[in-house]
Amino acid sequence: AQSVTQPDIHITVSEGASLELRCNYSYGATPYLFWYVQSPGQGLQLLLKYFSGDTLVQGIKGFEAEFKRSQSSFNLRKPSVHWSDAAEYFCAVGQAAGNKLTFGGGTRVLVKP
Amino acid sequence: DTAVSQTPKYLVTQMGNDKSIKCEQNLGHDTMYWYKQDSKKFLKIMFSYNNKELIINETVPNRFSPKSPDKAHLNLHINSLELGDSAVYFCASSQESRANTEAFFGQGTRLTVV
Repeated sequence: AQSVTQPDIHITVSEGASLELRCNYSYGATPYLFWYVQSPGQGLQLLLKYFSGDTLVQGIKGFEAEFKRSQSSFNLRKPSVHWSDAAEYFCAVGQAAGNKLTFGGGTRVLVKP
Repeated sequence: DTAVSQTPKYLVTQMGNDKSIKCEQNLGHDTMYWYKQDSKKFLKIMFSYNNKELIINETVPNRFSPKSPDKAHLNLHINSLELGDSAVYFCASSQESRANTEAFFGQGTRLTVV
């Protein structure tokens, strides 16, 4: 069965500093990978996705993620965080049948001034 | 122009009641979903419909019954509400039911059972 692990429950980062959120997945076939962001009281917004091709994908809001098959990882990065990046971030893997998304437990990002 | 809209946004009700949450998408998508987010923020799929047909049912109690009157709507009816049903319920839609299609989420409905 597929699964997604986000090892970090909370991360605190200073504004302007870099951010990296870890995601490890378990899936038997070619993974379809996503990062979503959930701001307080809001729904989920897609940041970026990986289906195939270039393993470094660019997303919205200055985020990027790198797919590493050998490490079963899909880590999210941002070079310089803004206070508005404070939110909950979810990594997910999509299942071929039915487009079922399996989510990780989420990482809460707090941004210090 | 909200792409995926859910009503109500907040729902407080007593144990044993029956309630419904409505979802509509104006994206012309074929596939719609219900996800449940528990108090620990863990998100899990409940149901998926493609062209009004149920394609995923993740061992959800029978008290939960989704209904899709047309491709643009997927409602969730919950009978005999229990305290453990308290959660945020998200509706989502995607163009197709294949894994390489992006899912768009609604704002969520926070259900509190007292």
